[in-house]
Amino acid sequence: QKEVEQDPGPLSVPEGAIVSLNCTYSNSAFQYFMWYRQYSRKGPELLMYTYSSGNKEDGRFTAQVDKSSKYISLFIRDSQPSDSATYLCAMTLGGNNRLAFGKGNQVVVIP
Amino acid sequence: GAGVSQSPRYKVAKRGQDVALRCDPISGHVSLFWYQQALGQGPEFLTYFQNEAQLDKSGLPSDRFFAERPEGSVSTLKIQRTQQEDSAVYLCASSSQGARGTDTQYFGPGTRLTVL
Repeated sequence: QKEVEQDPGPLSVPEGAIVSLNCTYSNSAFQYFMWYRQYSRKGPELLMYTYSSGNKEDGRFTAQVDKSSKYISLFIRDSQPSDSATYLCAMTLGGNNRLAFGKGNQVVVIP
Repeated sequence: GAGVSQSPRYKVAKRGQDVALRCDPISGHVSLFWYQQALGQGPEFLTYFQNEAQLDKSGLPSDRFFAERPEGSVSTLKIQRTQQEDSAVYLCASSSQGARGTDTQYFGPGTRLTVL
């Protein structure tokens, strides 16, 4: 079993829809949870960063962490064609430790 | 003010050749990471440097993989006797904190290695 599970299925949504992505993990020691966005032929860029359980909102993006269920989510409201990318969840123990990534979800927002 | 840069962006190697991939981190960043990203997969950790010290190399898949950062800035990932299963994108990331800190990892664009 991988440390981080992310259903890699592609997701196509119409412009303006809500995109919902999630990951589960097995290592209860993870403390820092992130979502990265990766455009084709580019490196991942940090989108959201959360410490421990709770919600964090940044514009159209909301990240949720439920440590008791070992489950994290990312919601994108009012999705735009420019949101079309692969979204990777990642987590770390802290102390600049290595990031453990999910497989990623390819999201396509159709105009 | 530039971000993390990597070179070459694309590399084609014949099976059995040695390759060297370069990473220029953000100036002043203490920590440097290498990850391997196979097609359709998330990045997998390879190794970690704090300045010139390689503190973690637990992710290197075999002894054909070797990384160095001799002056604590530029890093090189070397793969000897390349195999087809080495085909992947190799990502470099840097962050401003050392091993006791927690900071954003900034990724470069990656080097896409294809082994024929």
